Formats: sequence, structure tokens, C-alpha cells
Amino acid sequence: AQSVTQLDSQVPVFEEAPVELRCNYSSSVSVYLFWYVQYPNQGLQLLLKYLSGSTLVKGINGFEAEFNKSQTSFHLRKPSVHISDTAEYFCAVTLYSSASKIIFGSGTRLSIRP
Amino acid sequence: EAGVVQSPRYKIIEKKQPVAFWCNPISGHNTLYWYLQNLGQGPELLIRYENEEAVDDSQLPKDRFSAERLKGVDSTLKIQPAELGDSAVYLCASSLDTGSELFFGEGSRLTVL
Repeated sequence: AQSVTQLDSQVPVFEEAPVELRCNYSSSVSVYLFWYVQYPNQGLQLLLKYLSGSTLVKGINGFEAEFNKSQTSFHLRKPSVHISDTAEYFCAVTLYSSASKIIFGSGTRLSIRP
Repeated sequence: EAGVVQSPRYKIIEKKQPVAFWCNPISGHNTLYWYLQNLGQGPELLIRYENEEAVDDSQLPKDRFSAERLKGVDSTLKIQPAELGDSAVYLCASSLDTGSELFFGEGSRLTVL
């Protein structure tokens, strides 16, 4: 069965600094990978997804993620964060063969300091 | 276009009482999901519908939880009786079909006293 590990429960950074949120997955077969963002008191919103093709995926709000098959990672990055990026970020995985069974990580809370 | 609508946003009840949550998915979305989100954790799937058929309910605690999706549109999730450990956020999501992007509602936060 597939699983997702988000290594950091909280990441504090200063405004305009770069950030990386780490995500590792476990699966013996090919997967699709996602990053979702949850702003305070709101539902989850898709940031970006990797289905196939280029391993560098660009999403909304200046975020990008790189799929690394050998390291089974899908880390999320942004070169310069803004106060409005304060939110909870969830990495998720699903199998090619069962695309509806999406497994979420435990989340990383990104807090931006002015 | 309206997003996924859930109600109520907040519910406080005493243990052993029943509670129900309602979800209206995006128009035309055939797949509907109910997720449970505990504090500090990611969403966990409770049940998935394809139209009106529950195709994955393996994680739904069937002794106290039930769900329905009549006519393949709106859905309700019921807990009877509620327990202290049921305090959580209940998220509804919908997608065009299996494998498509999920769109989430704002969630229903349940507090059981």
C-alpha cells in the first residue's frame, strides 16, 4: 500500500525567504503526486500535481515541486514567500491503477514571519 | 460557478446525540468523497461515491456512521450516536470523475462534549 510522509510538521520562515516543504512517498508501483494547500478555516485547494512527463511541476502562487523517483520524493519549493502563503500544506499520493484512492500526508504548517 | 457547499460549518453536541452533515457537490461532478480530518492530521477517506453508488466505504465505521447520496447529487453523512472521539472536521469533496482533481468544501467542524 502507498503512504506519504511529510517530515516537518511546522516550518517557520521570514517573508521573502525561500522555502522547501519535504514530502516522501512509499509505493511499489507508479504513482500520481499532489500538493494541496489549506488556508485557515477553508477547504483544501490543489496547488500542483505530477502525473507524468517533466519532473519539475509548476503550480499556482509561484510554487513548484520536483518529482524524484530514485529518492521517492516530491518536495515543494517557493523562491520567495509572502505573508499570504501562511497555510497548511498537504502532500498526497495515488496509484496509477486506483486514481481515486488518494492518501494524504499529515501536513506541514508554514508560518511566515514579517 | 459555486464550489462544494457543506453545512453546517460548526456543530456542538453532547455525546450519544445524533448529528448529520450535508454536502452539495459542484454541478456535474459524478464522484463525491467524505473525508475525516483530525487536528494536526491530513484528511482520511471515509467513503467515496460514483454517482449514487458507494464504491469505497472500507474506512467508514458502519456501527455508527452512515451516508447516502440520493439521486447522485447531494449527500448526507450521519453519526448516531456520536462519541467524544468523533470531534473532527468532516470534509466533502467532489470531482468530475475518478482520477480528476478534487474540489473540497470548507468542512463541518464537529465538537462532541
